[in-house]
Amino acid sequence: KAGVTQTPRYLIKTRGQQVTLSCSPISGHRSVSWYQQTPGQGLQFLFEYFSETQRNKGNFPGRFSGRQFSNSRSEMNVSTLELGDSALYLCASRFTGETEAFFGQGTRLTVV
Amino acid sequence: QKEVEQNSGPLSVPEGAIASLNCTYSDRGSQSFFWYRQYSGKSPELIMFIYSNGDKEDGRFTAQLNKASQYVSLLIRDSQPSDSATYLCAVGPGNTPLVFGKGTRLSVIA
Repeated sequence: KAGVTQTPRYLIKTRGQQVTLSCSPISGHRSVSWYQQTPGQGLQFLFEYFSETQRNKGNFPGRFSGRQFSNSRSEMNVSTLELGDSALYLCASRFTGETEAFFGQGTRLTVV
Repeated sequence: QKEVEQNSGPLSVPEGAIASLNCTYSDRGSQSFFWYRQYSGKSPELIMFIYSNGDKEDGRFTAQLNKASQYVSLLIRDSQPSDSATYLCAVGPGNTPLVFGKGTRLSVIA
């Protein structure tokens, strides 16, 4: 059974640019959550999608957005990148909103 | 604000000893509890989950839950150097996103 796949694995962007990250969940899983991980803040919740609908949202500015497609694949977009957006972005896949979450390998974003 | 607290460590234990990792949470409505292991530069990996009060054992790992005291712990028996990692406690308050602690760094000394 394939795991959670995130692409790309590494990204280097310039301040002011925008970026799109992709996540393909485990087959049959309909919940996809996105987290930002930095050394000082730990895992911070960005948003969760379930059956193409955003079900929960964390305390991040509107520059962070996402969507989910009918095949449960999800994308996350960050516009007008700032240096502080440099982080590991993790996608977590769940069968429902109450079951265990499985993480992808993450996308390491560096903003210069 | 739902919070999950963990001692950041590092927790150092000798090889073969029992490592005890603790976690407290603020939301009494929490229903599911998870432990993840994260090696440096890697993503979190699920190692245990527990939903009911008491102990749950899986190999060298035992998760313990006490909802009345709002704490969950992870015991690692016969600790190995390969267990050296950061352990993240995550709490699920029902049908909402998991809330993670900042993790405890464990170092197993050979």
